[in-house]
Amino acid sequence: GAGVSQSPSNKVTEKGKDVELRCDPISGHTALYWYRQSLGQGLEFLIYFQGNSAPDKSGLPSDRFSAERTGGSVSTLTIQRTQQEDSAVYLCASSLNRRETQYFGPGTRLLVL
Amino acid sequence: AQSVSQHNHHVILSEAASLELGCNYSYGGTVNLFWYVQYPGQHLQLLLKYFSGDPLVKGIKGFEAEFIKSKFSFNLRKPSVQWSDTAEYFCAVNLYNFNKFYFGSGTKLNVKP
Repeated sequence: GAGVSQSPSNKVTEKGKDVELRCDPISGHTALYWYRQSLGQGLEFLIYFQGNSAPDKSGLPSDRFSAERTGGSVSTLTIQRTQQEDSAVYLCASSLNRRETQYFGPGTRLLVL
Repeated sequence: AQSVSQHNHHVILSEAASLELGCNYSYGGTVNLFWYVQYPGQHLQLLLKYFSGDPLVKGIKGFEAEFIKSKFSFNLRKPSVQWSDTAEYFCAVNLYNFNKFYFGSGTKLNVKP
């Protein structure tokens, strides 16, 4: 079956613009995570969705970052007024539930000029 | 703040050599522990995980890891590496009953044929 997909694969934007990143999880997976990986760093947890519960937003670095998950499936991560330090690879992962294996997507490489 | 340390950033081995990658974390409570691997050009994938029980965990492709609670460590081992093990390895910690995952900065393993 299909794995986790993300789009776009690459995004170049100008400082101050808004960007929207998309994640399509594996069908039937109730848990969805967003991570950020900056150059030479490990993955930084951003946000977690579990079914219809309120998301855990504890990892979002600022109020410029937001995410939603519609219908318990597709998720979008929005970064408003992008800054150069937002440049990173944004990874999405899904799992059957929180304790199960996370399956990662290919990531979106964001470059803010 | 919680943290995960991978002290070896880059390891170079010859085929058939033994491998041990270190992982230490800073949280004193109950944890779930993971090792993920990213092969060149591929997505992150789970190697093995520990939730409870036998502290010696066996994963895919001959990898194993040992949880030593007193040392806050979860080192990854393989008795004899192959060229195909060339990849980047990430240790991750999930605090029990919390959603957030903490990842180390990764160790790049290069196995020479």
